[in-house]
Amino acid sequence: KQEVTQIPAALSVPEGENLVLNCSFTDSAIYNLQWFRQDPGKGLTSLLLIQSSQREQTSGRLNASLDKSSGRSTLYIAASQPGDSATYLCAAHSGNTPLVFGKGTRLSVIA
Amino acid sequence: NAGVTQTPKFQVLKTGQSMTLQCAQDMNHNSMYWYRQDPGMGLRLIYYSASEGTTDKGEVPNGYNVSRLNKREFSLRLESAAPSQTSVYFCASSEGPYYEQYFGPGTRLTVT
Repeated sequence: KQEVTQIPAALSVPEGENLVLNCSFTDSAIYNLQWFRQDPGKGLTSLLLIQSSQREQTSGRLNASLDKSSGRSTLYIAASQPGDSATYLCAAHSGNTPLVFGKGTRLSVIA
Repeated sequence: NAGVTQTPKFQVLKTGQSMTLQCAQDMNHNSMYWYRQDPGMGLRLIYYSASEGTTDKGEVPNGYNVSRLNKREFSLRLESAAPSQTSVYFCASSEGPYYEQYFGPGTRLTVT
């Protein structure tokens, strides 16, 4: 059974810093991995979807990487801004199971 | 395009009452999903519909029923609400089972 873990649960950084959010998964036979952003009291916004055949996917200041052999994905945020403060979730598609979510990393960017 | 819409936004029920949560999408997506989100538990799949006319159980289906009314609409019914069903419920849709998922704004449900 796929399990997805995100460590740390919370992270606080000063504005302007580059940062990396981590996601690990137990079943390396994944189809794809999706990163989401969730603002307090809101739904999830899809940020990036990275296919199993890809190693990286980029959107603006965001870059997601995928290493299936080690069971890890990272979300890199460049030049962080206070508006980036949110909870970031990763979720993996594998086998016959729909998306399995991690519990998220709550990011605070301090001005 | 509105994307994925959910009604109601908030609901308070007494134990034993029933209600239906509504979800609609205007992206012509084939697959639709219902999740619940609880503190410390993350997002868990309740039911999903890979395509119109099909529904399947997810991780936590007990106490819920679903109806895929047509391609656009997927409803979630609580027949006899229990306090353990207090949660935030999200509907999502995707082009197909392994495609990018898009979420609605959620329904905050409290059962007293």
